[in-house]
Amino acid sequence: SQQGEEDPQALSIQEGENATMNCSYKTSINNLQWYRQNSGRGLVHLILIRSNEREKHSGRLRVTLDTSKKSSSLLITASRAADTASYFCATDSNYQLIWGAGTKLIIKP
Amino acid sequence: DAGVIQSPRHEVTEMGQEVTLRCKPISGHNSLFWYRQTMMRGLELLIYFNNNVPIDDSGMPEDRFSAKMPNASFSTLKIQPSEPRDSAVYFCASSLRAGANVLTFGAGSRLTVL
Repeated sequence: SQQGEEDPQALSIQEGENATMNCSYKTSINNLQWYRQNSGRGLVHLILIRSNEREKHSGRLRVTLDTSKKSSSLLITASRAADTASYFCATDSNYQLIWGAGTKLIIKP
Repeated sequence: DAGVIQSPRHEVTEMGQEVTLRCKPISGHNSLFWYRQTMMRGLELLIYFNNNVPIDDSGMPEDRFSAKMPNASFSTLKIQPSEPRDSAVYFCASSLRAGANVLTFGAGSRLTVL
């Protein structure tokens, strides 16, 4: 079952602009993760934020978590063509991750 | 470390044939996951091993699917007989510890059943 729901489903922006993707989930969590998947490749872990954290940064990535709204956002600043990929959020449920359907991000040169 | 290694990368087979997908997890990782990804259903967990023992195979679609992990460095996912609806990308992933931890994915095996 899919707990996380990303929106938008697709996002197309100009290179250099910021990209924001959102993830909503249904049940309480211990942590939330974001992954990137380039076309034809496996998923790559980007960042993990714990339920007691509100914001986390990694390079050009900024993740926020609002447990009261059961939502998270991923912000990519100063986007580059190489950021074109699908982005997935995943929430923990016992021993496994529950995945959203992903946001497809296209960076136009 | 070369990461999680999957083979084959691409497999095209005819309906009814047996398909075996292989995975070598990262050395030292204790948990291994098999996922299936399709446009329609997204990413689905098929089976999860911890310390080579299958913990939950409730995601395996039907008896045609089986998975084994004979040792800490090798796992297989077998489909017999294969059907066109099994066409998908199959991913293997491993993690250091049990539970919903950070996963390292392989590059995937793209299966096409004609």
